[in-house]
Amino acid sequence: EADIYQTPRYLVIGTGKKITLECSQTMGHDKMYWYQQDPGMELHLIHYSYGVNSTEKGDLSSESTVSRIRTEHFPLTLESARPSHTSQYLCASSRLAYTGELFFGEGSRLTVL
Amino acid sequence: AQRVTQPEKLLSVFKGAPVELKCNYSYSGSPELFWYVQYSRQRLQLLLRHISRESIKGFTADLNKGETSFHLKKPFAQEEDSAMYYCAHSGSARQLTFGSGTQLTVLP
Repeated sequence: EADIYQTPRYLVIGTGKKITLECSQTMGHDKMYWYQQDPGMELHLIHYSYGVNSTEKGDLSSESTVSRIRTEHFPLTLESARPSHTSQYLCASSRLAYTGELFFGEGSRLTVL
Repeated sequence: AQRVTQPEKLLSVFKGAPVELKCNYSYSGSPELFWYVQYSRQRLQLLLRHISRESIKGFTADLNKGETSFHLKKPFAQEEDSAMYYCAHSGSARQLTFGSGTQLTVLP
């Protein structure tokens, strides 16, 4: 079944640890996105990709990095987690032809102690 | 920079009452506006887009360029409408900018 998957759903980790949030989609979409969301706040675009080997930074500056080696996979990495990175991270995908419709994953809630 | 404002973080109405969720945007070009919804324990999903001029689940939204608004309306709210609603705008870069959301609660 076509879907977009995020793992882990919840992660509690100590300061200084390296973490990778996984995002995979079987929708056949070219475009993928990472949004950061704090409670009661806007979703902020932190990274996006138009396809393999394409990555761009979004509106919100982020210390995280992303890669797009395979169309289906768009992982987000934090080399050294800090408490300020505590947030909800949402992955999304969309067709290359613009429609404004994004398909979201269930999110990864990260807590850095 | 484009910005989307949803002035109400929380909104409660009784079942059967009309509901209006407010959204204002700032953008000098031709805007493209959307409403996304997140029901409890579900994913964020597209509800409707202004260009389609459609009614989804009884909701409609009209783009008012003069007031730079895109308010979401439903004449008779239902309990299953309780959810988090996000207004989103897409400018020339074709990237979505989201508002901070409005939590709608429809009371029995």
